Amino acid sequence: SQKIEQNSEALNIQEGKTATLTCNYTNYSPAYLQWYRQDPGRGPVFLLLIRENEKEKRKERLKVTFDTTLKQSLFHITASQPADSATYLCAPGGGANNLFFGTGTRLTVIP
Amino acid sequence: DTAVSQTPKYLVTQMGNDKSIKCEQNLGHDTMYWYKQDSKKFLKIMFSYNNKELIINETVPNRFSPKSPDKAHLNLHINSLELGDSAVYFCASSQRDRSYGYTFGSGTRLTVV
Repeated sequence: SQKIEQNSEALNIQEGKTATLTCNYTNYSPAYLQWYRQDPGRGPVFLLLIRENEKEKRKERLKVTFDTTLKQSLFHITASQPADSATYLCAPGGGANNLFFGTGTRLTVIP
Repeated sequence: DTAVSQTPKYLVTQMGNDKSIKCEQNLGHDTMYWYKQDSKKFLKIMFSYNNKELIINETVPNRFSPKSPDKAHLNLHINSLELGDSAVYFCASSQRDRSYGYTFGSGTRLTVV
C-alpha cells in the first residue's frame, strides 16, 4: 500500500530563514503532488500543486520541487515569518486515486 | 460565503448512539469526500463520492455510511458509535480534475463518551 512520510514531525526555524520540509512516498507513482497548510482547529488549505513532469514550482515565498526518481518532494518557505507557523501536509495524487495525505510537519517560526 | 460547510462543529454523544454530520459545498464541485483525522493528526480518506461512483476505503467500518441527496451535499451517518470513533471529521470537495486541489470544511470534532 502507499506510504507517505514527512520527515520531521516538528521543525523550528528562526524568522527570516528558509524552512525546508520533506515528503517521501513509496509504492506509488503519483501524477502530481499537492501541499496543504493546516492551522489548529481548521481544515487543510490547498497551497500548491506540482506535476510529475515539473521539477519546480513557485508561488510567492513558496517553492516546491518534485523528484520522481527519488520519490521525494521538497517544500521551501523563504524569508519565513511567524505567521507561517502551521502544520504542512503533502498529498500525492493522480488519476482515479484519492488524495492520500502525509503525517504532516508542524513548523514553528521563532521571532 | 463559506465554500464547504459542515455541521455541527462539535458533537458529544454516548456510545451506541447513531449520529449524522452534514456537509454542503457551494463551489459546484463534482466530487465530495469524508476524511477522518485522529489524535495523531493523521488525515485518512474514508469515502469519495460523485454522482456516479462511491469509493469506500476498505478499512472503514460499515457503521459509517455516506448519503448524498444531491451533488452539493454529502452527509455522514454513523451507527452504533464507539469510543474509537472519536476524531475530527473533515468534509472536502474537488473538481473532477483533482489536481486543482481539495477545499476542506472546518471539521466536526466528534467525542464519544
